Amino acid sequence: DTEVTQTPKHLVMGMTNKKSLKCEQHMGHRAMYWYKQKAKKPPELMFVYSYEKLSINESVPSRFSPECPNSSLLNLHLHALQPEDSALYLCASSSEEGHNEQFFGPGTRLTVL
Amino acid sequence: GEDVEQSLFLSVREGDSSVINCTYTDSSSTYLYWYKQEPGAGLQLLTYIFSNMDMKQDQRLTVLLNKKDKHLSLRIADTQTGDSAIYFCAESDYGGSQGNLIFGKGTKLSVKP
Repeated sequence: DTEVTQTPKHLVMGMTNKKSLKCEQHMGHRAMYWYKQKAKKPPELMFVYSYEKLSINESVPSRFSPECPNSSLLNLHLHALQPEDSALYLCASSSEEGHNEQFFGPGTRLTVL
Repeated sequence: GEDVEQSLFLSVREGDSSVINCTYTDSSSTYLYWYKQEPGAGLQLLTYIFSNMDMKQDQRLTVLLNKKDKHLSLRIADTQTGDSAIYFCAESDYGGSQGNLIFGKGTKLSVKP
């Protein structure tokens, strides 16, 4: 299995809602990432988990809360988002060995009303 | 700081070769990546090269690296309409912190029939 899967594919939420994005990989990778991508822009790194521990938080607002329940799963909990948070949220994973070859999921298209 | 630059647009005719260019600034040992992103989709890793290499070929893809000028190119032979996408160049530090992928702004490749 060489895939990174993400659910849901699309999500529409209001500013008072609480929702979660999910990401899963079964490649035995020990690093997992969340990126945010706005239209016509490159992905921006949000969080990195290494061996299930948060290793990088790129000054992301606290309304985004990551969670890594085990080495295969990565969640992103969303609460009290703003319309400007609407974007494509991408999950990626990589092996801890050698270089940082990251494999991306298809993304969740989030719209905040 | 590190920076990755790409031209924003490229238009070619079907069957021609496409050459997408990228420059980077990191002078340490590094991996350089090419990712493809089709509309509404995640990023697909196409190929990568380590900074001590000059060239890498994989089927229709050829990566050339000029270390002196810190210039990377991706050549797509016999370009097809299915190659229309945005192509991101990215670099990471070898052995550096997980998640430290620096993306260029992306080159939009349009292939005309």
